[in-house]
Amino acid sequence: AQSVAQPEDQVNVAEGNPLTVKCTYSVSGNPYLFWYVQYPNRGLQFLLKYITGDNLVKGSYGFEAEFNKSQTSFHLKKPSALVSDSALYFCAVRSFNPAAGNKLTFGGGTRVLVKP
Amino acid sequence: GAVVSQHPSWVICKSGTSVKIECRSLDFQATTMFWYRQFPKQSLMLMATSNEGSKATYEQGVEKDKFLINHASLTLSTLTVTSAHPEDSSFYICSARERDRGLSGANVLTFGAGSRLTVL
Repeated sequence: AQSVAQPEDQVNVAEGNPLTVKCTYSVSGNPYLFWYVQYPNRGLQFLLKYITGDNLVKGSYGFEAEFNKSQTSFHLKKPSALVSDSALYFCAVRSFNPAAGNKLTFGGGTRVLVKP
Repeated sequence: GAVVSQHPSWVICKSGTSVKIECRSLDFQATTMFWYRQFPKQSLMLMATSNEGSKATYEQGVEKDKFLINHASLTLSTLTVTSAHPEDSSFYICSARERDRGLSGANVLTFGAGSRLTVL
């Protein structure tokens, strides 16, 4: 079974400082990896995804994530956080192998709080 | 870009009544829609996968008769919470995947804004 772990429930960072949200995954075969962001009482918004190719993926709002196969990680990063980045972030994985099903499995979420 | 509309955003109902939540893909055809439930400060729990023209596939532990899902067209799926009870109070989110986009596993899901159900 596939799974996603986000080890930090909350990350606090000062505005202007680098932001990192950690994610590790477990999946059969090669993974499709995604990051989504959720604002209060809203659905999820897509940030970026890794399918294949360059391990460093750039996405919306200045976010990027690095796929590390050996560490089975896909940490989300932003060089300079903004107060408006405060939200709930979800990492998700889907197996490349259709036989493993096509379900998207989410991590538990990490709340990011950026302080002015 | 792709947009998924979910309605209603908020609903309050009395215990024992049924509530229907609609999920529409506004500018694309969605052969598959997913229904999630999210508890406060927790992740999304997949409830069921809704395929157009066929029966939904429910996840283990989700009551089919309690959460009725209908996907009658390529742009509309509905979730009906039947005989709702206070423990059904939650945030329900739908998502949709556009049809025929090659590597379907790589497709980004588009999410609705969610529906908060409160059962009194």
